[in-house]
Amino acid sequence: GDSVTQMEGPVTLSEEAFLTINCTYTATGYPSLFWYVQYPGEGLQLLLKATKADDKGSNKGFEATYRKETTSFHLEKGSVQVSDSAVYFCALRPGGGNKLTFGTGTQLKVEL
Amino acid sequence: KAGVTQTPRYLIKTRGQQVTLSCSPISGHRSVSWYQQTPGQGLQFLFEYFSETQRNKGNFPGRFSGRQFSNSRSEMNVSTLELGDSALYLCASSVDTFSYEQYFGPGTRLTVT
Repeated sequence: GDSVTQMEGPVTLSEEAFLTINCTYTATGYPSLFWYVQYPGEGLQLLLKATKADDKGSNKGFEATYRKETTSFHLEKGSVQVSDSAVYFCALRPGGGNKLTFGTGTQLKVEL
Repeated sequence: KAGVTQTPRYLIKTRGQQVTLSCSPISGHRSVSWYQQTPGQGLQFLFEYFSETQRNKGNFPGRFSGRQFSNSRSEMNVSTLELGDSALYLCASSVDTFSYEQYFGPGTRLTVT
């Protein structure tokens, strides 16, 4: 079945550091890929998405590129801020329907 | 536009009881999906409803059920609660069953004692 694997956390960075959170997936067909963010005590917010191979999703300085050859969708940000501290989830959705398969989440802590 | 609302936000129940959680989607959204979030299993898909019909179901026992009303509001029910049902239950709404954008509510925190 479909699955998503993302790097274990927590990831602790200093403000303005470069961020990479790795995400790889296993799926049949051509899934859509997503990154969601969850702040403490809140639900999930869609951060960015890519719907086909080589698409680059971007939002709020975060980027991720859909790499079909390596089945990856790594999240990057050039300069993190304290306000980026949250849990980040990589997810995939098969061709139809709204069922999302999530990774285990990666907690990011950004310190001054 | 108001976001997805879930009620109640917090709930404490005893083993063996049943519980009903409610989700009101964003106005105009007709698809509602439910997820269970636990520290051990992470985020797991429960089911999706669109136009009052269940369109997709995850791997959960029959104790977990749901429904959707004509105004797109959805409820999920868990019968014969077990300790392992303690979790954050998240609802997500989208325009339809093919939309890429799903908007999540804040969740209902269920504690089973």
